[in-house]
Amino acid sequence: EVQLVESGGGLVQPGGSLRLSCAASGFTFSSYEMNWVRQAPGKGLEWVSYISSSGSTIYYADSVKGRFTISRDNAKNSLYLQMNSLRAEDTAVYYCARDSPAAGLFVFDYWGQGTLVTVSS
Amino acid sequence: AIQLTQSPSSLSASVGDRVTITCRASQGISSALAWYQQKPGKAPKLLIYDASSLESGVPSRFSGSGSGTDFTLTISSLQPEDFATYYCQQFNNYPAFGGGTKVEIK
Repeated sequence: EVQLVESGGGLVQPGGSLRLSCAASGFTFSSYEMNWVRQAPGKGLEWVSYISSSGSTIYYADSVKGRFTISRDNAKNSLYLQMNSLRAEDTAVYYCARDSPAAGLFVFDYWGQGTLVTVSS
Repeated sequence: AIQLTQSPSSLSASVGDRVTITCRASQGISSALAWYQQKPGKAPKLLIYDASSLESGVPSRFSGSGSGTDFTLTISSLQPEDFATYYCQQFNNYPAFGGGTKVEIK
């Protein structure tokens, strides 16, 4: 069974940093492209970042470019999101999501349960 | 950036009703559109990709159609477990989601 489990969320002050993790199991993690998608409280979904299976190709949404860094450790079946210079508008539930092998790039067939990041003083 | 506009933003329907949700893209995206269902406190679930391809395990009462800029998600006979919020998403370039349509019980 495919499982994605996020961790690392919490309360952080504006300008602070946080590192999110996503532990993957039930599939060959090293063969799949992965993403982070976030959802502000009561709002819609926003794609944040993508990383290819090898980690060689990375994309970011303009809203986080230069502040967030996506990475992965295929030996540990883990995906990460380093978030720096956090702002109030980064407050959201952050989901890790897998690219669908059937549908291809940027179609998300499995999602974690999410981890809440709150940026507030 | 490509923007997606969903309508309506919410609707009330009864069990057994046929429900249609539309999604309009600000520019042509061919068939690069997916639909997701999200229930409160849960992660989204993929329903449809490539505008009309049903994801494995999704009931056949869900269907999608359209290409270019105009797309539709149809639920042929609404079931109690279908009350949720639905999002369209384009993947023609960097992903973007529509604003969502909340389907509520009438």
